[in-house]
Amino acid sequence: AQSVTQLDSQVPVFEEAPVELRCNYSSSVSVYLFWYVQYPNQGLQLLLKYLSGSTLVKGINGFEAEFNKSQTSFHLRKPSVHISDTAEYFCAVSLMDSSYKLIFGSGTRLLVRP
Amino acid sequence: DGGITQSPKYLFRKEGQNVTLSCEQNLNHDAMYWYRQDPGQGLRLIYYSQIVNDFQKGDIAEGYSVSREKKESFPLTVTSAQKNPTAFYLCASSIYITSTDTQYFGPGTRLTVL
Repeated sequence: AQSVTQLDSQVPVFEEAPVELRCNYSSSVSVYLFWYVQYPNQGLQLLLKYLSGSTLVKGINGFEAEFNKSQTSFHLRKPSVHISDTAEYFCAVSLMDSSYKLIFGSGTRLLVRP
Repeated sequence: DGGITQSPKYLFRKEGQNVTLSCEQNLNHDAMYWYRQDPGQGLRLIYYSQIVNDFQKGDIAEGYSVSREKKESFPLTVTSAQKNPTAFYLCASSIYITSTDTQYFGPGTRLTVL
């Protein structure tokens, strides 16, 4: 069975500091990888996705993520966070097979403090 | 502006009542989805639809029903058979139902059972 693990339920960080949100996955088939952001009481918005090619993917709002196949990880990073980055971040995978399914992690709440 | 609308934003239900959550999209997407979000958990798929007049059960379909009579609309009914319906419900759509397509989310409906 496939699964996505986000070990950190909450990450507090000071404004302008760097941040890394961790994501690991388990799958018997190759996957595509996604990061979504959810602001309070809103829907999800795509930050970035990895389909193929360069393992370093750049997304919106200055975020980037690196796919590491050997470690089955897709960690999200930002060199300098803003108060407005406070939100919940979800890692998700979809399978490179005939299925459509998007499998989500449990989310990491990023709390940026002034 | 193209997007997904969900109504109502907040919904209160008495035990034993059926309620219907609305989801409308003007993105001309073929595929639509319903997810349930509980605190500290990722999103879980309830139902999805690839095309008009067709829909499939997701991981947690028991106690829910849907219809897809128009491309733009994918309403979700939470029936009295759903034992624990209090949650945040998110509707999403994608151009097609493939592993690489980005899913676009609505703002969500928060359902509370009194």
